[in-house]
Amino acid sequence: GENVEQHPSTLSVQEGDSAVIKCTYSDSASNYFPWYKQELGKRPQLIIDIRSNVGEKKDQRIAVTLNKTAKHFSLHITETQPEDSAVYFCAASTGDSGAGSYQLTFGKGTKLSVIP
Amino acid sequence: AAGVIQSPRHLIKEKRETATLKCYPIPRHDTVYWYQQGPGQDPQFLISFYEKMQSDKGSIPDRFSAQQFSDYHSELNMSSLELGDSALYFCASSSDRDSAGEQYFGPGTRLTVT
Repeated sequence: GENVEQHPSTLSVQEGDSAVIKCTYSDSASNYFPWYKQELGKRPQLIIDIRSNVGEKKDQRIAVTLNKTAKHFSLHITETQPEDSAVYFCAASTGDSGAGSYQLTFGKGTKLSVIP
Repeated sequence: AAGVIQSPRHLIKEKRETATLKCYPIPRHDTVYWYQQGPGQDPQFLISFYEKMQSDKGSIPDRFSAQQFSDYHSELNMSSLELGDSALYFCASSSDRDSAGEQYFGPGTRLTVT
């Protein structure tokens, strides 16, 4: 089955700096890569995703890059703010059996702290 | 916009009891995924349903079962509860026909087994 590794496990940055979180996956058939933000005790929130036919996607201060050859993808947050502090999870999915088969395999998470 | 609804939000049960968790997906979403998240852990996939049929199964114990009803809501039934079943249980809904894999999570049910 799919295995997703995520680094670093914790990350502290000064407000205004950039943060980068990296993930690798094992199954070359994976074709969908979402990122979730989760605050303590709350639901994971989808913040950005990328599919295997795209190399980069950006949404305001958040960007994701995908390198299919190396089987890794990264989350970039620029101009970090204290409200960006949370646990961020990367995930991968193959969805090779069609609808209902996009089960997500998550990385272990990165606890991001943005210091004012 | 309407979000995923889960009930109850909190549930306390004793060992060997049963529990039923409910999930109401976003209107017009055709797929429901169930995940279990232990303290400090990442979510683990349990089971999924597409158009009321089970589509995939993950690390769901045999003591658990689930189904999706004609109105697309889903229920996760858990029997012979163990202390290790204490966790946050999330349901996520998706419109796999239109935006495959894009899953939106509900607020979760926090199950505590004593």
